[in-house]
Amino acid sequence: GAVVSQHPSRVICKSGTSVKIECRSLDFQATTMFWYRQFPKQSLMLMATSNEGSKATYEQGVEKDKFLINHASLTLSTLTVTSAHPEDSSFYICSAKIGGGDSQPQHFGDGTRLSIL
Amino acid sequence: AQSVTQLDSQVPVFEEAPVELRCNYSSSVSVYLFWYVQYPNQGLQLLLKYLSGSTLVKGINGFEAEFNKSQTSFHLRKPSVHISDTAEYFCAVRIIQGAQKLVFGQGTRLTINP
Repeated sequence: GAVVSQHPSRVICKSGTSVKIECRSLDFQATTMFWYRQFPKQSLMLMATSNEGSKATYEQGVEKDKFLINHASLTLSTLTVTSAHPEDSSFYICSAKIGGGDSQPQHFGDGTRLSIL
Repeated sequence: AQSVTQLDSQVPVFEEAPVELRCNYSSSVSVYLFWYVQYPNQGLQLLLKYLSGSTLVKGINGFEAEFNKSQTSFHLRKPSVHISDTAEYFCAVRIIQGAQKLVFGQGTRLTINP
């Protein structure tokens, strides 16, 4: 149980393109989803916390107009990288938390490797 | 604010040898503690977590960790490793009340040699 599906797994596109990444909780309802960015050989850095039906909370230094987050349902959150540039190339990972208590862990998707040419 | 320090960026060990991956944290409030494993080009998989109670926590794949409040540590151990344990391991904390976000350590690359 607690499976999180992330799609696509890999994206290669031209500079200036907008890219949408989907994160779905397949067998549970996720009241909160998280978006992380991971540079090569580094740790995960939280970009934003996404709550169903409300605006996402962005971490300091993350441009909300650049990284649009939509959490329209209890099983789906999307991250759109608008007008992507080479410096946006990275590994993006989402996670979802089961509702019903602070002690519930986050479950992670398999990540999306974004390469901007 | 919370912070997590994984003291070793890389740990090479031979197959069937024991291993310990070190994790220390800093927080002014009580936290939950987690260990995650990441295989190449994949997301993170939960190995184990400490919420409360017994300080020795057993997880999947034969791993265990011990919470030491006085030393603010949560070291991960396995008595006998396998080639398949080669991966990146992340220690993380989350405050018990309030924001749900995880704070990760820098990661430890565990390499198992035959």
